[in-house]
Amino acid sequence: QQQVKQSPQSLIVQKGGISIINCAYENTAFDYFPWYQQFPGKGPALLIAIRPDVSEKKEGRFTISFNKSAKQFSLHIMDSQPGDSATYFCAAVIIQGAQKLVFGQGTRLTINP
Amino acid sequence: DAGVIQSPRHEVTEMGQEVTLRCKPISGHNSLFWYRQTMMRGLELLIYFNNNVPIDDSGMPEDRFSAKMPNASFSTLKIQPSEPRDSAVYFCASSPGRGLNTEAFFGQGTRLTVV
Repeated sequence: QQQVKQSPQSLIVQKGGISIINCAYENTAFDYFPWYQQFPGKGPALLIAIRPDVSEKKEGRFTISFNKSAKQFSLHIMDSQPGDSATYFCAAVIIQGAQKLVFGQGTRLTINP
Repeated sequence: DAGVIQSPRHEVTEMGQEVTLRCKPISGHNSLFWYRQTMMRGLELLIYFNNNVPIDDSGMPEDRFSAKMPNASFSTLKIQPSEPRDSAVYFCASSPGRGLNTEAFFGQGTRLTVV
């Protein structure tokens, strides 16, 4: 019940295209859903996050869509650029709990020029 | 602030040797996490501390692994004895740990190779 399932494992998108990464969770107690971006040789860094009381959050070319009833959320990268090539992790946390981040398995995104 | 600082960045050791990984969290952060990253298993939470106290160590693989946080500015992860299957990148992360301010800041990681 603590798992967050992420797909696909890897994704190749042409420059200018839309990259979509999906995640699903079971524990309805999760109430904060961040996405982390990791470049080779670096630690993950927070990209964007959403609370389940909104269905969408947009920051620049990055958008999180959230479906509370389906217990699913996704990251959309519009106009994908080669610099977006990285590994993306979705995560979930219970804010008022011990704040233990549970990560998905990660998606390795490659944007072809 | 320099961010979360981990040392060493790379460690190569022989099977059976003791390995100690070090972490200095961001000043003022209440929560500290140790993660292990491998291609097969992704990011696994090993243990996390809140206010220097271990809260959940259920992710620690076995008794060969131990972690300490003697004060708010330092933590260690020790593997004794090390085995080749421990080879991975180990990340330390810290978080303010207050309400919505849950962003975890990761260090650069320690790449451990056990031969």
